[in-house]
Amino acid sequence: EAGVTQFPSHSVIEKGQTVTLRCDPISGHDNLYWYRRVMGKEIKFLLHFVKESKQDESGMPNNRFLAERTGGTYSTLKVQPAELEDSGVYFCASSQETRGPHEQYFGPGTRLTVT
Amino acid sequence: AQKVTQAQTEISVVEKEDVTLDCVYETRDTTYYLFWYKQPPSGELVFLIRRNSFDEQNEISGRYSWNFQKSTSSFNFTITASQVVDSAVYFCALKADRGSTLGRLYFGRGTQLTVWP
Repeated sequence: EAGVTQFPSHSVIEKGQTVTLRCDPISGHDNLYWYRRVMGKEIKFLLHFVKESKQDESGMPNNRFLAERTGGTYSTLKVQPAELEDSGVYFCASSQETRGPHEQYFGPGTRLTVT
Repeated sequence: AQKVTQAQTEISVVEKEDVTLDCVYETRDTTYYLFWYKQPPSGELVFLIRRNSFDEQNEISGRYSWNFQKSTSSFNFTITASQVVDSAVYFCALKADRGSTLGRLYFGRGTQLTVWP
């Protein structure tokens, strides 16, 4: 069974440009999460999809970030326009259920560098 | 509010030593789950262990063991006879089981473990 995949693995862009990150969750997982880790700090929650619906987007930093999950399958996270403080590693995770002890399975992350 | 604290930023040990990673958490929820994840140099987060708030029995799984104590809100993780391949960043995480933040994980800042040969 394929795990969570993310594309690209690395992205270097200039301030003001647009970047789109993609996440493919484990097949059959309705729950999809985006997290971000800024260097040296904790991994922080960004948002949570249940199927195609945004369950919780309270962690999104501002309106420059837009997440979508078309058809409840893969998800994209767009940053437009990118700022220097957006640099970090963006992780995607998926799980079978929201409640209960179900662990979240993480992808390898996308390292975003804004110069 | 949920919070996870990993006070140890970096730990270095020599191979075959035992090492304990500390984790202290805060939550007002009565039902919650605690996790340990490992992030090797390759970058992905790998799930290691999970503990439910209503089960304080401590366990051993191979070289891994964990000590969950609700009285001190701690969930410590021990690696016995460490190996070079254990070198990674280890994250402790908390998930509450209700409320507006249902589902999300709260992470500590991570502990960088380096095991020297």
